[in-house]
Amino acid sequence: EIVLTQSPATLSLSPGERATLSCRASQSVSTYLAWYQQRPGQAPRLLIYEASNRATGIPARFSGSGSGTDFTLTISSLEPEDFAVYYCQQRSIGRVTFGQGTRLEIK
Amino acid sequence: EVQLLESGGGLVQPGGSLRLSCAASGFTFGTYAMTWVRQAPGKGLEWVSTISVSGDYIYYADSVKGRFTISRDNSKNTLYLQMSSLRAEDTAVYYCAKHRLPVPGTWWFDSWGQGTLVTVSS
Repeated sequence: EIVLTQSPATLSLSPGERATLSCRASQSVSTYLAWYQQRPGQAPRLLIYEASNRATGIPARFSGSGSGTDFTLTISSLEPEDFAVYYCQQRSIGRVTFGQGTRLEIK
Repeated sequence: EVQLLESGGGLVQPGGSLRLSCAASGFTFGTYAMTWVRQAPGKGLEWVSTISVSGDYIYYADSVKGRFTISRDNSKNTLYLQMSSLRAEDTAVYYCAKHRLPVPGTWWFDSWGQGTLVTVSS
């Protein structure tokens, strides 16, 4: 099973700052990686798929990069609604795993 | 607008059974693979099971294999999860999720239901 490790566990930043979230895979997943945002009490929302493609309706301040084992989600300038938990997800043949999540909190 | 509405959650004793349903609307249900994902209270996301369009291909997490059964009825636009031999560690909010594209291999989930809570406790 491919394990995804996200860092940091918690990131404390202020609105307007740049956020950089990391996701590392235990073996190469090529670019088969997605990012989700989950606000309190809500279902997850797809942000990025295949490492760098923004999902429909996702603001341009969200961007994804990486391939192989190391991936990054960048939020260029934080808005108040961006403070949430973020998960990365990979898919291999017949199996899906999620990272443990990064909590982005207001400093 | 895509809508996914889960139902069937509740309190069940250890060893018991429960069937979850996910009613879909706003898209051509019969052309998309579907997935169940769960989230234990205060914890992260855990993939549970995926079913292909016609049900020919079905996948399970090791943690539920042999106990849970995913199925779908394309004529009723509904996804199911039959859960048996339930354990305390199955306690979670269960979400159904739609795959992003109507083609095999796109295991990205672009629409989610609001979730239904399953509590396994005596």
